[in-house]
Formats: sequence, C-alpha cells, structure tokens
Amino acid sequence: SYVLTQPPSVSVAPGQTARITCGGNNIGSKSVHWYQQKPGQAPVLVVYDDSDRPSGIPERFSGSNSGNTATLTISRVEAGDEADYYCQVWDSSSDHRGVFGGGTKLTVL
Amino acid sequence: EVQLVESGGGLVKPGGSLRLSCAASGFTFSSYSMNWVRQAPGKGLEWVSSISSSSSYIYYADSVKGRFTISRDNAKNSLYLQMNSLRAEDTAVYYCARAVGFWSGPIDYWGQGTLVTVSS
Repeated sequence: SYVLTQPPSVSVAPGQTARITCGGNNIGSKSVHWYQQKPGQAPVLVVYDDSDRPSGIPERFSGSNSGNTATLTISRVEAGDEADYYCQVWDSSSDHRGVFGGGTKLTVL
Repeated sequence: EVQLVESGGGLVKPGGSLRLSCAASGFTFSSYSMNWVRQAPGKGLEWVSSISSSSSYIYYADSVKGRFTISRDNAKNSLYLQMNSLRAEDTAVYYCARAVGFWSGPIDYWGQGTLVTVSS
C-alpha cells in the first residue's frame, strides 16, 4: 500500500520560513493536498494540487512536488500557524485508497 | 454556505453497530463525491471510505472493509456510514467530508465530526 512519510515535528521562530516535507514513492506523479488542523477543530485545506491555494488562504502558504518529496512551505510564520499539518493523496496504484501522511506538528517558538 | 453536520455517534460495546449520518446543505449534494475520515484520540487522520456522486464507485480502507458500509441519499442530501462488528480500535472522531471531483481533487469541506467510542 502507498505510504506518505512526514516528520513528526517542525519548529520555527516567528517570521522565519517553515518547510514540511511529505515523502512517497514517485509522489511527484500524484496530486498532493495539504490540510491544517488546530486542536479541537476540523481540518482545513491550505494547499491543493501540489501548489494551488484555496480562496482565503494567505499567500504565505505554498507547495511544491517533485520526485519522491512534496513540500509545504509557510513563509513569515506567525503564532497562529501553529497546528498539525497533513499531506494527502488519492492512490490508484493497486487498489483505490485515500492516503494521509502521519502529520507534522508545527511549533512556533 | 457549505455545511456538513454529522450525527449518530456515541458509546457502543465491542461487536455492536452504529449508523452515522451527515446532513449536507449549501451546495448541490448530488454533484459531489463524499468521504468519511476518522481520527483516533491523539492520532492522525485516517481515510475510511469514499462514494462517488451517483454511488457508482465505492472504496474502503482495509481496516473497515467488510464491516462498514457507506451510502448516500441524494434526494435527502445525506451521507451515511453503517458500522458493524465494531472494535476498540474504531474509537475515533468521524468526519464527513466533501471532495472536489472523484479520486483526484482535494477534500474542500469537512464537518465538525462525531465521536464514536467502542468500549465495554
């Protein structure tokens, strides 16, 4: 089955850039979506189709995807960005499965 | 405004059954694929099941296949998840979620979730 691997945690100071990776076999051939989840809340879509932003999501959020790694980049990090972030793909390689990464806790120092 | 409101969660004994419902509003429900995603306490997101707009395509996670059944009623703007033979490891918040397209686009709206607790 297809597996997405994320670092458990990333820490960054306010105003700096956070990069959260999502590793998967030839993930560059898939569309990757990213979700932000704050404690006690439902997830929110922040980047879709590798690098597009839904309306209402700040331009500080961006994404890229190539080879075996997709990356969510958050520029000029703010305290309000502290949350769990999940990458996700739809896998059709063997059987149809929705796949989430294990999640990355972003801590703003 | 898109709204997804789950109901039906609660405490159930191992081996028991539960039926979750999701009431959708604010969009043309029959045009969208729908999903159930769960999150065990303190854990990450886990995809459970997906159903296409006309119910032609249905997929399940291996962990629930044969025990859970997803369905929808487009006339009632409702999504369902019938859960049988429940296990302790099924304890989670269950989210109803709308996806763009089927098996390609992102999940763009999520409900607030309903908690299912499986315990004796």
